[in-house]
Amino acid sequence: GAVVSQHPSRVICKSGTSVKIECRSLDFQATTMFWYRQFPKQSLMLMATSNEGSKATYEQGVEKDKFLINHASLTLSTLTVTSAHPEDSSFYICTLPRGRSNYGYTFGSGTRLTVV
Amino acid sequence: GENVEQHPSTLSVQEGDSAVIKCTYSDSASNYFPWYKQELGKRPQLIIDIRSNVGEKKDQRIAVTLNKTAKHFSLHITETQPEDSAVYFCAATKGAGSYQLTFGKGTKLSVIP
Repeated sequence: GAVVSQHPSRVICKSGTSVKIECRSLDFQATTMFWYRQFPKQSLMLMATSNEGSKATYEQGVEKDKFLINHASLTLSTLTVTSAHPEDSSFYICTLPRGRSNYGYTFGSGTRLTVV
Repeated sequence: GENVEQHPSTLSVQEGDSAVIKCTYSDSASNYFPWYKQELGKRPQLIIDIRSNVGEKKDQRIAVTLNKTAKHFSLHITETQPEDSAVYFCAATKGAGSYQLTFGKGTKLSVIP
C-alpha cells in the first residue's frame, strides 16, 4: 500500500520562529493530502486540504497565513507553522487518501511540535 | 458539515470481556466508516472499516456494524486482551465524493488483566 514519510518526528522551537513539516508520498500520486492537528488527549481535527498545484483549502478557524501549505508536486506536501507560539504546540499529522478504487487512508508518522 | 459523536469517552473492561464503542454521524451521504487504534504518541492505525453498502464486517476478534437508517456504527472487540488498551477513534467521510475524514472524540479503552 501507499507509504507516507513525515519529517521531522519531533521538533522544539522558540516562540516566533517558523517550522516546516514535510509529508512525502513514496509510492502513490498524492493529488490530495489532509493535514490534521491533535492536541493532547483530544481527537484529530482537520486543518486543511492540500491540493497539488493549487491553493490549499482551510477549515473554519484555521489561519491560512499562519499555517502555510505548499503542494507543488505529486509527492510532497509541506506545512509551515509561521511565527509559532506555545499554543501551537501539538501533534501534526498528514493523511493521504488512496482514492475511489481503494478506500483507505495512509497516515504519516506525525510531528510532535513543542514551542517554548 | 459532518458531525461524529463517539461514546463512551472512557471504557474499562476485564480481560476476556467484550468492549463496545458506538458512534453516530450526521451526514447521510457519508459512505466510509473506519475505526482507528492510536497508542500514545503514535499515528492512528486502521483496525477495521466498513462501507455504506455493508451492514457488518468481522475480522477475528473485531467487528463493526453499521445502521445507515439510524446513522450509527459500532465497534465490537471480543475476548479483550491487555494489548487492546489504547485510544480508539471512529471516523466518517464528509459525504459522497469527499475523502475528508471527520473523527469522533475518541474512547480510551483500558483492559484490566
